[in-house]
Parts: sequence; structure tokens; C-alpha cells
Amino acid sequence: GQNIDQPTEMTATEGAIVQINCTYQTSGFNGLFWYQQHAGEAPTFLSYNVLDGLEEKGRFSSFLSRSKGYSYLLLKELQMKDSASYLCAVLDNDYKLSFGAGTTVTVRA
Amino acid sequence: TAGITQAPTSQILAAGRSMTLRCTQDMRHNAMYWYRQDLGLGLRLIHYSNTAGTTGKGEVPDGYSVSRANTDDFPLTLASAVPSQTSVYFCASSERSYNEQFFGPGTRLTVL
Repeated sequence: GQNIDQPTEMTATEGAIVQINCTYQTSGFNGLFWYQQHAGEAPTFLSYNVLDGLEEKGRFSSFLSRSKGYSYLLLKELQMKDSASYLCAVLDNDYKLSFGAGTTVTVRA
Repeated sequence: TAGITQAPTSQILAAGRSMTLRCTQDMRHNAMYWYRQDLGLGLRLIHYSNTAGTTGKGEVPDGYSVSRANTDDFPLTLASAVPSQTSVYFCASSERSYNEQFFGPGTRLTVL
């Protein structure tokens, strides 16, 4: 089976930085995705890492270390609209996506 | 373009009844998926299809069936609903199985 762990909840202040960690143990690895999901809505794609290192996309960055089975999503200059759940997902050897339970981020004024 | 649509938006269903959740995409994506999302468990894959005419089982396929007669449509059928199938169901599609997935708006199903 797949095991993908991420914290359940995080709280941060508007304008601050938050780092959401994700560790995984899966049957093979073909990439790691981060999705954002606002309450009552569908998940939307944020980032994809398949090689080690940092991928930066505006205020959001994602890091991957395949040897450690570890990724993080960094949210900078937090805004109220960033309050959402952030889902870590790993593409396994069969190209099936397994999701973590998600991290709910609450941004306070 | 509409992207990916699902119907109905929500449904209350009596246990033992059958139901088909509909999913249509207009992006000409090859791969399509059905997930259920339950509180604290995250998204779990029910069935998938890498291309029209083929389907495969995901993590939680029991009690569900799918078909993929063409590229655009991927219906999910519950033959005899049970209360444990109460969930939010998301359909998704991707150009290929290794690309990012695009999700539909979801169907909230309650089985009583």
C-alpha cells in the first residue's frame, strides 16, 4: 500500500510564510503533485516535481528529495485567499495517483 | 470550454437503489478517473481509464463499475447503494496518465 503523510492543520498570519511537509512511502515513484482545494470545491493543480530540487512558481514553491521520500510546499506572502486544503499526491509505478489526507491551512489577519 | 462536468451536483439515494454518476470532459484527454473523498481519508481512487475502451480498478473499486465507450464520457455506476458509499465523488481527467489531473466540481451523494 501507499503511505503519504502530511500535517492535518496549520495556521499562519497574513503576509507570513508557511511550509507544508509531505513524506511518502510508495510502490515506485513517477512524480509528486501538490493540489489546492478550497472548501466545497474541486482540487486544482499547483505543482509537479519529478527530479530533486526546488520548483518555483510565483508565491508557491515545491521541493523534492527522492532519496528521503520527502517534499514540501512553501507558500510565501500569505493572503487570506490561500486558506484552503493542500493535498500531496504521489504517482506510483503504475501511474496511479495516491493522495495524502491533506493539510488545512488557515490564514489569519 | 466547459472542461470537465459532473451530474448530478448532489443526490440522496435509498439503500439498495442503483445510480449512475455522469462525467464528461471536452479536453480530449486520454485518461479519466473516479475518486471518492471522505473526511480524514483524502481522495481515494475508485476506477480509472487510461484510454477509451479500457478501464482499471483503483484502491476502492468494490460496489462500483465504470465504462469508457468514448473519449469524453466516463460514468460511474453504483449497482446497489449502501450507506458506506455516502461521500463526495470527483471525476478527473488528464492528457496522459503521467500528466496533471483536472477535476470536475464533484457529486455529493448521501445513501440512507
